[in-house]
Amino acid sequence: DAGVTQSPTHLIKTRGQQVTLRCSPKSGHDTVSWYQQALGQGPQFIFQYYEEEERQRGNFPDRFSGHQFPNYSSELNVNALLLGDSALYLCASSPSWDIGSYEQYFGPGTRLTVT
Amino acid sequence: AQSVTQLGSHVSVSEGALVLLRCNYSSSVPPYLFWYVQYPNQGLQLLLKYTTGATLVKGINGFEAEFKKSETSFHLTKPSAHMSDAAEYFCAVSSSGGSYIPTFGRGTSLIVHP
Repeated sequence: DAGVTQSPTHLIKTRGQQVTLRCSPKSGHDTVSWYQQALGQGPQFIFQYYEEEERQRGNFPDRFSGHQFPNYSSELNVNALLLGDSALYLCASSPSWDIGSYEQYFGPGTRLTVT
Repeated sequence: AQSVTQLGSHVSVSEGALVLLRCNYSSSVPPYLFWYVQYPNQGLQLLLKYTTGATLVKGINGFEAEFKKSETSFHLTKPSAHMSDAAEYFCAVSSSGGSYIPTFGRGTSLIVHP
């Protein structure tokens, strides 16, 4: 079992650009959540996808959007990048949308640097 | 609303000593509580969680935590530290009803000296 995989591992973008991050969930998991982890901080919940729809969303602007495909993989898109978007972006998968009760498995993350 | 406070951004212990990482939470409904560990350049791994039932929760790698409602705390302990325990530890709280969005603390870096 490959676990949760994310690509790319590192990414450097310029302010104003757009970026797409990708995530493949653990086998058997149908729910994907995305988190932003700024340096020295804990992860912050961005949104959750289940059955190809955004089910829950944290306090992030509309510049952050996502998609889930029929095979449960997911993408995170960020438009009009700001310097403050520089962070480690973590993807987590779980066997249920009830991520309060079911264990989430985290990927290693994508390190995004905005210059 | 819910929040998590982890006391101490860094905790330093000697190998073989007791590990105590502190976590206090606030939640308007009965909480679900979690401890995660993050090793360098890796994602988070669940150590243990409390949902309902027994307030003393045992997790992986010899860690355990006790839910104390009266103190709104969920401190993480391990009787004897190993060098391999050096990592970043995060406490998280989630609501037991309605939205399950977890809120994480800022993390505590555990340093283990030989």
